[in-house]
Amino acid sequence: DIVMTQTPLSSPVTLGQSASISCRSSQSLVYSDGDTYLSWLQQRPGQPPRLLIYKISNRFSGVPDRFSGSGAGTDFTLKISRVEAEDVGVYYCMQNTQFPVTFGGGTKVEIK
Amino acid sequence: EVQLVESGGGLVLPGGSLRLSCAVSGFTFNDHYIDWVRQAPGKGLEWVGRSRNKAKRYTTEYAASVEGRFTMSRDDSKNSLYLQMNSLQSEDTAVYYCVRVLAVTGLYYFDYWGQGTLVTVSS
Repeated sequence: DIVMTQTPLSSPVTLGQSASISCRSSQSLVYSDGDTYLSWLQQRPGQPPRLLIYKISNRFSGVPDRFSGSGAGTDFTLKISRVEAEDVGVYYCMQNTQFPVTFGGGTKVEIK
Repeated sequence: EVQLVESGGGLVLPGGSLRLSCAVSGFTFNDHYIDWVRQAPGKGLEWVGRSRNKAKRYTTEYAASVEGRFTMSRDDSKNSLYLQMNSLQSEDTAVYYCVRVLAVTGLYYFDYWGQGTLVTVSS
């Protein structure tokens, strides 16, 4: 199975500042079609997860442009610019390049 | 509006069985893959299994942790997916989410999640 490792576990951030979350996979996430199926999810307290980013850097419908994704191969980053109070929650990276689908352990973003 | 609504969760004894349902609306059910993902209390996300679409003959995949104990099925007339869970263990205690998977050429992601249903396995 592909292991997804996220750092940090927790990210206290000041409102209006930026937060950055790293995700590393144990194998390359490049699929045979040349695409990389790495997504980022947000889970607000008491809510189900919500898709933010797919294929490394594509924002899903309705996601603010404060969220951006980057990376390639085995190393990926989610950046939240100008953090707002509504961004509090746990963020997960996930891969569906290979079965089984696997998720990172999550990074908790909280306001200082 | 795309919606997925899970039901059927509850308290079950170890070794018991439970059937979860996922009723969908707002999209053509048999065009899409539907996955189950679970989350143990206070823990992260764990993929459980996949039911592919009609074009892929509704084939299924399961996580090793549930293979042989969990079975997915569909009823297109009811726009519903079911997860039959047998031989339940305490480690199966979790909120179970059904998730729509968009899987077309060049696009492949989990775009809509249900609210989840809680399964508690305890004596």
